[in-house]
Amino acid sequence: SFELTQPLSVSVALGQTATITCGGNNLGNKHVHWYQQRPGQAPILVIYRDYSRPSGIPERFSGSNSGNTATLTIIQAQAGDEADYYCQVWDNYSVLFGGGTKLTVL
Amino acid sequence: QVQLVESGGGVVKPGGSLRLSCAASGFAFTDYYMSWIRQAPGKGLEWVSYISGSGDNIYYADSVKGRVTISRDNAKNSLFLQMNSLRADDTAVYYCARRHWNVYFDYWGQGILVTVSS
Repeated sequence: SFELTQPLSVSVALGQTATITCGGNNLGNKHVHWYQQRPGQAPILVIYRDYSRPSGIPERFSGSNSGNTATLTIIQAQAGDEADYYCQVWDNYSVLFGGGTKLTVL
Repeated sequence: QVQLVESGGGVVKPGGSLRLSCAASGFAFTDYYMSWIRQAPGKGLEWVSYISGSGDNIYYADSVKGRVTISRDNAKNSLFLQMNSLRADDTAVYYCARRHWNVYFDYWGQGILVTVSS
């Protein structure tokens, strides 16, 4: 079955750029979506269909997907970006989430 | 504005049953697939099930297949999850989410905690 692999944790200095990856076999052939989950809150969608941003999500958030890796990039990281981030795909009528990455803003 | 409000959670003994509800508002409920997604304490997100707007198409994760039933009442803008034969590893926060046709989840409820414990 298809699997998504994310690093457990990523750290970024305040104001710098954070990169969170999501790996999967030929992932570039699928649409990847990203969610942010702050502690104690429900997830929110931050990127859909690889690189599109829902209304209300800052332009600092961007996404890409090619080959075996999708990437969520957050420029000018802020304290409020500290959260868990999950990638997600649809495969064979099932929904798959990556294991999640904890982003720490130093 | 879109609102999803879950209810029906609580503590249940292993082997017991529970029925979760999700009240939807702010959008044309019948136009959307709806889904349940859960998160065990300290763990990641796990998709449970989704159902089409008409209720005709239903899919379940292997981990719950045969033990849970998703349904909806379009007249009442409500989504349900009937959970039977509950196990300790079903303990989780259960989220109701609206599924976009391109299979991502654009709106989520606040979640409801289900605890399976003796």
